[in-house]
Amino acid sequence: EAGVAQSPRYKIIEKRQSVAFWCNPISGHATLYWYQQILGQGPKLLIQFQNNGVVDDSQLPKDRFSAERLKGVDSTLKIQPAKLEDSAVYLCASSLDWSGAGTDTQYFGPGTRLTVL
Amino acid sequence: QKEVEQDPGPLSVPEGAIVSLNCTYSNSAFQYFMWYRQYSRKGPELLMYTYSSGNKEDGRFTAQVDKSSKYISLFIRDSQPSDSATYLCAMPQGGSEKLVFGKGTKLTVNP
Repeated sequence: EAGVAQSPRYKIIEKRQSVAFWCNPISGHATLYWYQQILGQGPKLLIQFQNNGVVDDSQLPKDRFSAERLKGVDSTLKIQPAKLEDSAVYLCASSLDWSGAGTDTQYFGPGTRLTVL
Repeated sequence: QKEVEQDPGPLSVPEGAIVSLNCTYSNSAFQYFMWYRQYSRKGPELLMYTYSSGNKEDGRFTAQVDKSSKYISLFIRDSQPSDSATYLCAMPQGGSEKLVFGKGTKLTVNP
């Protein structure tokens, strides 16, 4: 079974530029998550989709971050404009379903490492 | 006070040692407790998952939960160099799939 795919793996941009990340979840997984992992920290949830609807985006800085999940499969996360503090690894994860109990295993992709100069 | 506290280490041990990794949490609503392992430049992968207080064993790994103290532990017996990774504790917030992670403890097992 193929895992969660993410691209690009690495990205270096100047502050105030825009950047987009792509995620392809495991086939058949209804729930998709984007996490931000700053160096030395645990992942922090940015946004959660159930199929193509948003379940939780309470920690997404909506003035600069946006995300979409068209047709309930692939997803893109965009940052515009980027700030220095956005330097982090952006992880995509997927799970089979949404039980609401936190018990569905989340499978993570390898992440995109973003450096903002 | 952060919801989940975890000593980031780093922790360095010789091969064969018993390793103890710990987290404390403040939210008594947490009901499920997970340990993820993250190798360098990889995404986290679920290692163990437990619900109730007490111990759960899986091979060389034992997860322990003490809800009265809001304290969870992961023990690794006969540690191997391949266990070198960052170990993250995580707990889903009640009624959602939103995982709250600790900072992670970086472990190095030296041959």
